[in-house]
Amino acid sequence: EVQLVESGGGLVQPGRSLRLSCAASGFTFDDYAMHWVRQAPGKGLEWVSGINWNSNNIDYADSVKGRFTISRDNPKNSLYLQMNSLRAEDTALYYCAKDRGEQLWLQGLDYWGQGALVTVSS
Amino acid sequence: QSVLTQPPSVSAAPGQKVTISCSGSSSNIGNNYVSWYHQLPGTAPKLLIYENNKRPSGIPDRFSGSKSGTSATLGITGLQTGDEADYYCGTWDSSLSAGVFGTGTKVTVL
Repeated sequence: EVQLVESGGGLVQPGRSLRLSCAASGFTFDDYAMHWVRQAPGKGLEWVSGINWNSNNIDYADSVKGRFTISRDNPKNSLYLQMNSLRAEDTALYYCAKDRGEQLWLQGLDYWGQGALVTVSS
Repeated sequence: QSVLTQPPSVSAAPGQKVTISCSGSSSNIGNNYVSWYHQLPGTAPKLLIYENNKRPSGIPDRFSGSKSGTSATLGITGLQTGDEADYYCGTWDSSLSAGVFGTGTKVTVL
């Protein structure tokens, strides 16, 4: 059974940092691209960042570029999102999601975690 | 400010059909695969359609997808109360080098 479990969310002050982790199981992790997608309270889905199977191709939404860094550790079946210089508008539920393909092109996100809540507030 | 536009809401009676449109451009829908997701209240999104018109195992054939030019459409037939959810389209935007989702559509079963 495929499982994606996010951790690391919480309340953080503006300008501070937070690191999200996503532990994957039930599939061959290094065969697939992975993504972070967020959803602000009462709002729609926003793609945040994606990383292909071997970390050679990484992209970010303009809203987080230069502040967030995605990475993966294939031997540990883990995905990460380092979030720096956090802003109030980064407040959201952050989902880890598995792509059907090995590249970034959103071929279909077939498994999602339950999300990690990040609240940026003073 | 999403680059993919969906109607805010659609509704129909049980057993009827609804369609949800997703309008984009040549840099996204026009040249990349479209996927569709639904999200029940308080839960994570779930994949309904991938590669424009393919259904993952376990998704009933009441759900269908199509694409023409720079627009895509999700169809739901035999509408059930359990289909009440928010629906999103998604694709890659080659100009932005970023994933993009639609604005979302709330389906209401009357």
